[in-house]
Amino acid sequence: GIQVEQSPPDLILQEGANSTLRCNFSDSVNNLQWFHQNPWGQLINLFYIPSGTKQNGRLSATTVATERYSLLYISSSQTTDSGVYFCAAGAGTASKLTFGTGTRLQVTL
Amino acid sequence: KAGVTQTPRYLIKTRGQQVTLSCSPISGHRSVSWYQQTPGQGLQFLFEYFSETQRNKGNFPGRFSGRQFSNSRSEMNVSTLELGDSALYLCASSLVEATPLHFGNGTRLTVT
Repeated sequence: GIQVEQSPPDLILQEGANSTLRCNFSDSVNNLQWFHQNPWGQLINLFYIPSGTKQNGRLSATTVATERYSLLYISSSQTTDSGVYFCAAGAGTASKLTFGTGTRLQVTL
Repeated sequence: KAGVTQTPRYLIKTRGQQVTLSCSPISGHRSVSWYQQTPGQGLQFLFEYFSETQRNKGNFPGRFSGRQFSNSRSEMNVSTLELGDSALYLCASSLVEATPLHFGNGTRLTVT
């Protein structure tokens, strides 16, 4: 099956800093999504991005499917950005996703 | 539009018992998936239902089962509970397959 690796595993930032999170996947995928899990355990969908670039406010994501990686950019980080960021990938027509182990982000004042 | 609703939020069961978790997807969404999250194994896919049919199943024992009703609501059942089944069980819905997943708040199951 698909393998998904995320880096870095942990990240501590001061408020206002920028960061880049990376996701590598082992096979061709047609389903690539980024999620944020807040400290209360809620998983929020950030991007559905099997290829190309998308932006949503201070967040943007790029997936280069041919090179099997995706990047999540967080600019001007805020304390509310803290939590765990997951990348998840899938292939075929189903919604089965393989999740990476996540990047735990802590934003401090 | 209401999000994905999971009930109950918390559940405590004893080894050997069985449990049923419920999930109501976003209105209009036809695909429902279930995931298990544990500190050791992370987020793992359990199964997916689309139009009342199981389309995919993860690597879990047969004690884990599910179903989907004609209104797209879904239930998952775990029989003969083991301590290792303690986890956060997350339900997600999507419009159709391979589209953005939207997760519920989860059911936290503790097996004692």
